[in-house]
Amino acid sequence: GQQLNQSPQSMFIQEGEDVSMNCTSSSIFNTWLWYKQDPGEGPVLLIALYKAGELTSNGRLTAQFGITRKDSFLNISASIPSDVGIYFCAGQEGGNAGNMLTFGGGTRLMVKP
Amino acid sequence: ETGVTQSPTHLIKTRGQQVTLRCSSQSGHNTVSWYQQALGQGPQFIFQYYREEENGRGNFPPRFSGLQFPNYSSELNVNALELDDSALYLCATRGGTGELFFGEGSRLTVL
Repeated sequence: GQQLNQSPQSMFIQEGEDVSMNCTSSSIFNTWLWYKQDPGEGPVLLIALYKAGELTSNGRLTAQFGITRKDSFLNISASIPSDVGIYFCAGQEGGNAGNMLTFGGGTRLMVKP
Repeated sequence: ETGVTQSPTHLIKTRGQQVTLRCSSQSGHNTVSWYQQALGQGPQFIFQYYREEENGRGNFPPRFSGLQFPNYSSELNVNALELDDSALYLCATRGGTGELFFGEGSRLTVL
């Protein structure tokens, strides 16, 4: 089946630093999504990307859909303590695969005030 | 606030028992999907329902089954529970451009 490799697995950074995480896939996706999950809650959608090469921002967050359609990255600028959580990338094939998402293993972000 | 409500939030069962988890959406989306998230891992796709019929399934055995009702609410049923079924079960509805919005999940512990 599809595999999404997400890195790094965890990051411990100082407040104010910028953060970068990425996902790579062995197969092509038509949509890339980035979610954040806090303990005991469901994933919350941060950014959705629909076209290869697309660069999209949401406040301090910026994500890009790789040209090859096999990768995506998420950047967080000027991190703050509430950025703490687990970030997941997810790819969606669309078409006959419908709405099925394939998730990466997550990046655990810890921010030191 | 995604408008996706799941119940119960937590429950404990023993091996061999059966469990039913529920999901409803404020917006009444006609597509609902279910995911299993084991501790420390990303969610794994179980299946998807569209207009009350299953139209996509991940690598899960038949003892995982579901229903979608005319009001678009949904149930996930798991029979013959195993210890490895302990996980957070997430329900998701589809947005207008294909993105998925998740509920807060039902945490199942199997003893």
